[in-house]
Order: sequence, then C-alpha cells, then structure tokens
Amino acid sequence: DGGITQSPKYLFRKEGQNVTLSCEQNLNHDAMYWYRQDPGQGLRLIYYSQIVNDFQKGDIAEGYSVSREKKESFPLTVTSAQKNPTAFYLCASSTGSLAKNIQYFGAGTRLSVL
Amino acid sequence: AQTVTQSQPEMSVQEAETVTLSCTYDTSENNYYLFWYKQPPSRQMILVIRQEAYKQQNATENRFSVNFQKAAKSFSLKISDSQLGDTAMYFCAFMSLTGANNLFFGTGTRLTVIP
Repeated sequence: DGGITQSPKYLFRKEGQNVTLSCEQNLNHDAMYWYRQDPGQGLRLIYYSQIVNDFQKGDIAEGYSVSREKKESFPLTVTSAQKNPTAFYLCASSTGSLAKNIQYFGAGTRLSVL
Repeated sequence: AQTVTQSQPEMSVQEAETVTLSCTYDTSENNYYLFWYKQPPSRQMILVIRQEAYKQQNATENRFSVNFQKAAKSFSLKISDSQLGDTAMYFCAFMSLTGANNLFFGTGTRLTVIP
C-alpha cells in the first residue's frame, strides 16, 4: 500500500533529551513537511523539504531539526531547546508540482514530556 | 503572511441534514489553492475538497461542495445528507502558488453529527 508512515505513534521525552520522530513515504513524492498541532489550534509548519538534501524552516522551527538524506525519509528531531514539545506532530508529502499539489498526511505522533 | 479564519469552533447537525462550515482568508495574491481537510478522532488528516482560485466553478465531491467567493475571500464547505462518519474536526487551508507551496491552516471547526 502506498502511503506515509509515521512512527512511533506515541513518544515520551525526558527533560534535556533529544527525540526523533520518523516519517517515511513510498509515494515517490518530492516534497515533505512537518507540522505541529496544539489543542484548539490549526497545524503550524515546522520544516519542509522540496528536494533531497535541502530543507527550509517553517514558521516555528526553533528547537527542531530535520534531515533529508533520502527521498523517502524526513525525520524530525525535537531537541532539548524546544521547551514546550508536548503536541501532536504530523508529517505530509506532496508531488511538488503545482498541477496536483495536494498534501497527504501520515497518522501522526503524539509527543509528551515526562 | 496569509491568515485563515474559521469563526465557528463547534457545530452540530442532525443526521441526513445539511450543514455549512465557514472560512475566510486574507491574501494579496490572485492565484492560490484552497482546501478543506477532515480530521476524525483517529487524527488522520484527510483531504475533503480542493478549489483552485482561478476557477470560477465551485468544486464538488459527492456530498461535499464549496461556495467560493473570491472577492469576499470566503470559502465555505457544505455537507449534504450528513452521516455519522462526518463527525470530525474540519480545517480550512490556504496554499500560495509562490514560494514553497506551504499550507496555512485555520483553527478548525468541530462538527458533530447527531443521530
């Protein structure tokens, strides 16, 4: 089945710890995105990547880092510098072409702080 | 920056009835895309419908249709013959055609379909 796989579904972080959220897609999409969702708010863009080995900061990149070494993978690291990491994190991908630029989402990862 | 406003935090509708969710946006651009996404309790974001700003015809997908008023910067979603499975959060989103084609989301409307 084609799709976007996020893991783990639930993740707990201890204070001062870095944690990494996985996002893998087999849709052959060029562009990938990370969003954060807090209660009562819409999704906010953390980072995005339009091509392998390149990525850009979104609106709330502070305290996060990403890499894009393979087309299929776009992991997000929540660093200890992110003081309020508890949220629901969604990964998305799209073809990157304007003609059909629909973003498809994974099932999300819920991150909580211990 | 683009802003998207959904002024109805919660709505409810009787099963089989029709409901309209409101969305307004602010942009200085002339060409863009607008989307409605559904987020059921599973929290998976699912695309409901997409509208291209250069098209005057309102998009329709089965029981879902939009009322796109470009001059008023309004993009409402109409759900006809509401079903229990329509219970979800609904997010309106804007995509610019310049730059990185990122999505800007509203804060969502929680829709409950009552049996």
